[in-house]
Amino acid sequence: NAGVTQTPKFRVLKTGQSMTLLCAQDMNHEYMYWYRQDPGMGLRLIHYSVGEGTTAKGEVPDGYNVSRLKKQNFLLGLESAAPSQTSVYFCASSYSRPGELFFGEGSRLTVL
Amino acid sequence: AQSVTQLDSQVPVFEEAPVELRCNYSSSVSVYLFWYVQYPNQGLQLLLKYLSGSTLVKGINGFEAEFNKSQTSFHLRKPSVHISDTAEYFCAVTNSGGYQKVTFGTGTKLQVIP
Repeated sequence: NAGVTQTPKFRVLKTGQSMTLLCAQDMNHEYMYWYRQDPGMGLRLIHYSVGEGTTAKGEVPDGYNVSRLKKQNFLLGLESAAPSQTSVYFCASSYSRPGELFFGEGSRLTVL
Repeated sequence: AQSVTQLDSQVPVFEEAPVELRCNYSSSVSVYLFWYVQYPNQGLQLLLKYLSGSTLVKGINGFEAEFNKSQTSFHLRKPSVHISDTAEYFCAVTNSGGYQKVTFGTGTKLQVIP
């Protein structure tokens, strides 16, 4: 069972470059989320989606954009990467709330 | 808005000893509470959740937690830990009404010592 799949798993960028992280889930979940994890700060919500075609801002949305054109996919974009965006990014999905969150394995991004 | 506090960033414990990981939350309305575990280089997975009903919640791998509304706490316990329990544990909260995001604590690293 695939569950939640994130690509790529590792990426190194230079300041100012752009990139997109892809999250795909095969569980037909309505809700999808992007979190970033930094040492000592736990997980912070970047953006989330409550259904296909909808997105909303979380705690730390600045510098990121998202799209949910298909129910199974949730894309996180960085238009102009900054060193402060060096982090591990996790995608999660849930069928409903307060449902269990299912997490991907993470994408480690380094911005030089 | 809700918040979660995990006061202990690291908890070392000897194998087969009991452990308690502390979690306190703040919210002006009713809440749902969760504990997640993260093994090295992996995503988080659900250990247990409190939605309503019995305040003592049992989860996977022998863990349990008790919801205490008066103390706004949801501490995680295990009577006898194993080496394989070495991981980082996150407490999380969400408000029960409407759509609200899930807020995570900063995590507690449990180190089980042989």
